[in-house]
Amino acid sequence: QVLLQQSGPGLVKPSQTLSLTCAISGDSVSSKTAAWAWIRQSPSRGLEWLGRTYYRSEWYHDYAVFVASRIAISADTSKNQFSLQLNSVSPEDTAVYYCARDWLRWYFDFWGQGTPVTVSS
Amino acid sequence: EIVLTQSPGTLSLSPGERATLSCRASQGVSRNYLAWYQQRPGQAPRLLIYGASSRAAGIPGRFTGSGSGTDFTLTISRLEPEDFAVYYCQQYGASQTFGQGTKVEIK
Repeated sequence: QVLLQQSGPGLVKPSQTLSLTCAISGDSVSSKTAAWAWIRQSPSRGLEWLGRTYYRSEWYHDYAVFVASRIAISADTSKNQFSLQLNSVSPEDTAVYYCARDWLRWYFDFWGQGTPVTVSS
Repeated sequence: EIVLTQSPGTLSLSPGERATLSCRASQGVSRNYLAWYQQRPGQAPRLLIYGASSRAAGIPGRFTGSGSGTDFTLTISRLEPEDFAVYYCQQYGASQTFGQGTKVEIK
């Protein structure tokens, strides 16, 4: 059984950086078959895939076009976790953020518990 | 980008009834790479179906996925109390996109 445990602040000021971490148990962040993704959900925009990281002899990253200029997803193999950084946030980035295992870069079979993030001064 | 449109927006049914949810894609979904998720209030989405018709591990047999090309269906044969939730489809044939969801509520 794969468990994903999210951590990070629930309140971020406009123009600052949103940072979240997802700790993995039951699998490896360096898995050759999984990718590790961030997805967010808001009432206005529904579920939005933000990006992923994965290891296939080297590290790769894919990002959604609408956040590509201000997002970074990184992996920490020593802690078996991965992280999201979203820069220059605005109130439109207010959402529940989920980490998830992206199986074969197809579908999301395990999810973190979700972190509600509010962007407000 | 493939846009997924789910219908109806809300389905009002009683326990024991059959639920039929639709997911229509703006263009054909390659290799029927379509998944369904269930989301209960306050919880993360849970994978139900992948590959249009394969049940994920631990998913009861009352959940059935079908369809191909641009039209896909999730059927819940007899609604249990815990099935009242929001359901999302997701395609992974070309990048990954989600539908807007169908809420199944108690009538």
